[in-house]
Amino acid sequence: GDSVTQMEGPVTLSEEAFLTINCTYTATGYPSLFWYVQYPGEGLQLLLKATKADDKGSNKGFEATYRKETTSFHLEKGSVQVSDSAVYFCALSQYGSGNTGKLIFGQGTTLQVKP
Amino acid sequence: DAGITQSPRHKVTETGTPVTLRCHQTENHRYMYWYRQDPGHGLRLIHYSYGVKDTDKGEVSDGYSVSRSKTEDFLLTLESATSSQTSVYFCAISESGGLNMNTEAFFGQGTRLTVV
Repeated sequence: GDSVTQMEGPVTLSEEAFLTINCTYTATGYPSLFWYVQYPGEGLQLLLKATKADDKGSNKGFEATYRKETTSFHLEKGSVQVSDSAVYFCALSQYGSGNTGKLIFGQGTTLQVKP
Repeated sequence: DAGITQSPRHKVTETGTPVTLRCHQTENHRYMYWYRQDPGHGLRLIHYSYGVKDTDKGEVSDGYSVSRSKTEDFLLTLESATSSQTSVYFCAISESGGLNMNTEAFFGQGTRLTVV
């Protein structure tokens, strides 16, 4: 079945450092790919998404490109802030007739940014 | 913010007791989902609903049942709670589920359940 694998955390960075969180997936067809963020004590929020190969999702300085040839959707940010400290989830979903919109998540990566 | 309310937010219960978690939405979205979040596993789908009285199982449905008698409410029941069901439970809603790739899923704030 479909699956998502993320790099193990936690990731600890200093403020203004460059961030990469790796995500690879296994899926049939052409799923949509997502990054969700979970701040402490809160639910998940959609950070960005991409719905087809070579699409780049971006939001709040974060970017991720849908790479079908490497089945990857790595999250990047050029300069992290303390406020970016959170858990980040990579996820996929299949669309089309017969699909339910359920999300398949990676295990999550905790990011801690120190001042 | 999407109108999703989960209740209770925290609960401690004893092994063997029944527990019901409630998800209430004010968005009139058709699809509703229950996920559980566990360290090392991310979120995994328990059950989902695609309309009133229409529900189906997810990947970790054993020990759980659901009901949806109204569009706005989706209940998750643990018939006889076990320690392995200690987790954080999230409800999510989606307007068109898997029919529209541009649809976004919105999540509630979660319920932390501890079974002792």
